[in-house]
Amino acid sequence: AQSVTQPDIHITVSEGASLELRCNYSYGATPYLFWYVQSPGQGLQLLLKYFSGDTLVQGIKGFEAEFKRSQSSFNLRKPSVHWSDAAEYFCAALGLTGGGNKLTFGTGTQLKVEL
Amino acid sequence: DVKVTQSSRYLVKRTGEKVFLECVQDMDHENMFWYRQDPGLGLRLIYFSYDVKMKEKGDIPEGYSVSREKKERFSLILESASTNQTSMYLCASSFGPEGARGYTFGSGTRLTVV
Repeated sequence: AQSVTQPDIHITVSEGASLELRCNYSYGATPYLFWYVQSPGQGLQLLLKYFSGDTLVQGIKGFEAEFKRSQSSFNLRKPSVHWSDAAEYFCAALGLTGGGNKLTFGTGTQLKVEL
Repeated sequence: DVKVTQSSRYLVKRTGEKVFLECVQDMDHENMFWYRQDPGLGLRLIYFSYDVKMKEKGDIPEGYSVSREKKERFSLILESASTNQTSMYLCASSFGPEGARGYTFGSGTRLTVV
């Protein structure tokens, strides 16, 4: 079955430190991959997406993600975290065979930033 | 700015009530979706629609139905609300046959069933 896994439920980092949020997917073929962020009480905002080509993808708010086919991973990174980055982050995948036009989400990673 | 608007941010309903959650998008998107979000479970797809008057079941359709009479509006219906339907409900829309440009989400409706 198609699935997206975010192994870290909670992560705490200090402001200014680097960040990496992990995401693994299980699909028959490489899906389209996305990262979304959700601030408290808000809907989801798209940070970045990967379709094909360059495996390092740049997004908004200084985030980037690297696609690694061999590891079935799409980890989100930021060199220096700001207090305003505290939020919940969701990795998602859109399968093109059998899955149709439906995003499948991971369970999310809650990021806390210590000042 | 493009928007997906959910009519209510907070709702409190009684067990057994019929509940309507409304979602409107102004982007002329073909595809619309309803998810529910629960802690530790992420977002789970309830129903989706690729066109007016069509609908397809998602991963957890039991206890829900939907209506899409106009392209811009997608309603989620809880036929007889139960306490296990207390959740955050998120509506989304996307463009094109694959929605690969990404989804646009509403701000969510937090439903409490008492």
